[in-house]
Amino acid sequence: EVQLVESGGGLVKPGGSLRLSCAASGFIFSDYNINWVRQAPGKGLEWVSSISSTSAHIYYADSLKGRFTISRDNAKNSLYLQMNSLRAEDTAVYYCARVYGSGTYPLDYWGQGTLVTVSS
Amino acid sequence: DIQMTQSPSSLSASVGDRVTITCRASQSISSYLNWYQQKPGKAPKLLIYSASSFQGGVPSRFSGSGSGTDFTLTISSLQPEDFAIYYCQQSYSNLITFGQGTRLEIK
Repeated sequence: EVQLVESGGGLVKPGGSLRLSCAASGFIFSDYNINWVRQAPGKGLEWVSSISSTSAHIYYADSLKGRFTISRDNAKNSLYLQMNSLRAEDTAVYYCARVYGSGTYPLDYWGQGTLVTVSS
Repeated sequence: DIQMTQSPSSLSASVGDRVTITCRASQSISSYLNWYQQKPGKAPKLLIYSASSFQGGVPSRFSGSGSGTDFTLTISSLQPEDFAIYYCQQSYSNLITFGQGTRLEIK
């Protein structure tokens, strides 16, 4: 069974940092691109970042302006999101999602999400 | 970035109704359009990819169509479990984007 489990969320002060993790199981992690998608309370889905299977290709939403860094460790079947200079508007549930490897590359499996709250 | 616009933003319907949700892209995205369903407190679930292909386990009452800039998601006969928020998403660009969502409510 494919599983993605996020962790690392919590309460952080504005300007602070946080590192999210996503642990994958039930599939060959190193074969798949993975994305981070976030959802602010009561709002829609916002794509954050993506990383290819070998980390050769990395993309970020323009709105992040270099504050976030995505990475992965295929030996540990894990994905990470380092978030720096956090702002109140970064408050959201953060999901990791696997990219289905063919067709139009949809996000076929999602984790349950981890909540990040940025507040003083 | 490619902008995705869904309409309507919200919709009230009854069990058994046929409903259609529209998604428009700001430029042509071929068939790189996917649909998701999200229920309260849950992660989104992939329904349809490549504009019209079913994800495994999705009931046949769901269907998708379109290409280029205009796409639709149709539910042929609403069931109680279909009341949720629906999102379209383009994967044509490396910078993927979602529509703002359509909330489907019980009338």
